[in-house]
Amino acid sequence: EDQVTQSPEALRLQEGESSSLNCSYTVSGLRGLFWYRQDPGKGPEFLFTLYSAGEEKEKERLKATLTKKESFLHITAPKPEDSATYLCAVQADRGSTLGRLYFGRGTQLTVWP
Amino acid sequence: GAGVSQSPSNKVTEKGKDVELRCDPISGHTALYWYRQSLGQGLEFLIYFQGNSAPDKSGLPSDRFSAERTGGSVSTLTIQRTQQEDSAVYLCASQGLDPGETQYFGPGTRLLVL
Repeated sequence: EDQVTQSPEALRLQEGESSSLNCSYTVSGLRGLFWYRQDPGKGPEFLFTLYSAGEEKEKERLKATLTKKESFLHITAPKPEDSATYLCAVQADRGSTLGRLYFGRGTQLTVWP
Repeated sequence: GAGVSQSPSNKVTEKGKDVELRCDPISGHTALYWYRQSLGQGLEFLIYFQGNSAPDKSGLPSDRFSAERTGGSVSTLTIQRTQQEDSAVYLCASQGLDPGETQYFGPGTRLLVL
């Protein structure tokens, strides 16, 4: 069964304190791994897509990496406005519903000044 | 509009009533998904529409749930005889033709069943 596990569930960082969020996955065949950010009361906002092991993508203070078993979202020198829930999702390249995303439960990040 | 829109933003209903949730996808997107986000849970797939093909309903939790998509654009998710466990945020996402493309989410409808 395709599964996604995110850790930690919650993370509190002081402004400027870098850290990483983990997403481990099992999927029959990976089409893509997606990272989203979700603010309270809003829908998920797309951040990155990774397709193959070794791939990396960056956006401002965020950098996403991918291996065959997991993905990391590295946050460098975070600011309070980075506080949000970060969601990881995978998409399989086979199965009855191509395109559906399997989501983890998310990591709730709080960055305090 | 530029993004996915959903209405209503919030819905409070009484147990046993029917509700309809609406999704307007990004113009030109052929694929549309409905997901449900319950408190403390990850997003759960409900149903998938791709163009004019028959929808994939494999994620619907019971026969009280149904959805349709008219003219390949707007979609309506209907929950009949609502139960308290139906309380959740219902999210719609749209996507281009390729299943590997990014799914863009709407703001969601927050449903509370009393």
